Amino acid sequence: QKEVEQDPGPLSVPEGAIVSLNCTYSNSAFQYFMWYRQYSRKGPELLMYTYSSGNKEDGRFTAQVDKSSKYISLFIRDSQPSDSATYLCAMSMDTGRRALTFGSGTRLQVQP
Amino acid sequence: DSGVTQTPKHLITATGQRVTLRCSPRSGDLSVYWYQQSLDQGLQFLIQYYNGEERAKGNILERFSAQQFPDLHSELNLSSLELGDSALYFCASRAGSTDTQYFGPGTRLTVL
Repeated sequence: QKEVEQDPGPLSVPEGAIVSLNCTYSNSAFQYFMWYRQYSRKGPELLMYTYSSGNKEDGRFTAQVDKSSKYISLFIRDSQPSDSATYLCAMSMDTGRRALTFGSGTRLQVQP
Repeated sequence: DSGVTQTPKHLITATGQRVTLRCSPRSGDLSVYWYQQSLDQGLQFLIQYYNGEERAKGNILERFSAQQFPDLHSELNLSSLELGDSALYFCASRAGSTDTQYFGPGTRLTVL
């Protein structure tokens, strides 16, 4: 079993929809949680960063972390065709090394 | 633009050969991480350097090695290449005071 599980999709939604993306993890030592967006054959781009449990909002994006359930979410409001990409969750432990463990990514398609 | 640069963008080589991938971190970042992204394994951490010293190792094969130079750029050396080494190789850099990693555009390696 992988340390971080993520539904690969694809997830197809109409423009303007609210998108919910999720990851579950098994290692309770993870403390830092991130969401990256990756367009085809490009480098991952950092979207959201959260430390420990709680919510964080940035524009149309909201990240939630529930450490008790080992579950993290990313919500995208008013989705746009330009949001079509692969979304990767990533997490790391509270050590100096901070190497990231990634989910497999969810491919999102926003239909105009 | 993340500020992290990687060269070359594409590399095509034959089995048994050796290649070197280069990464320049964001200005001032001391940590460099290397990741491999393949279709079947997703994004996986290979190795981390901090200010010229190796800090952490992930799923890095013995045929692979890396180093970080005094000017903080890093090189990933892949030798005795196999077909299965074909993948996207990313480097990421992190500032010491933050927990977030910024990724470069990647090098696409094709082993024929």
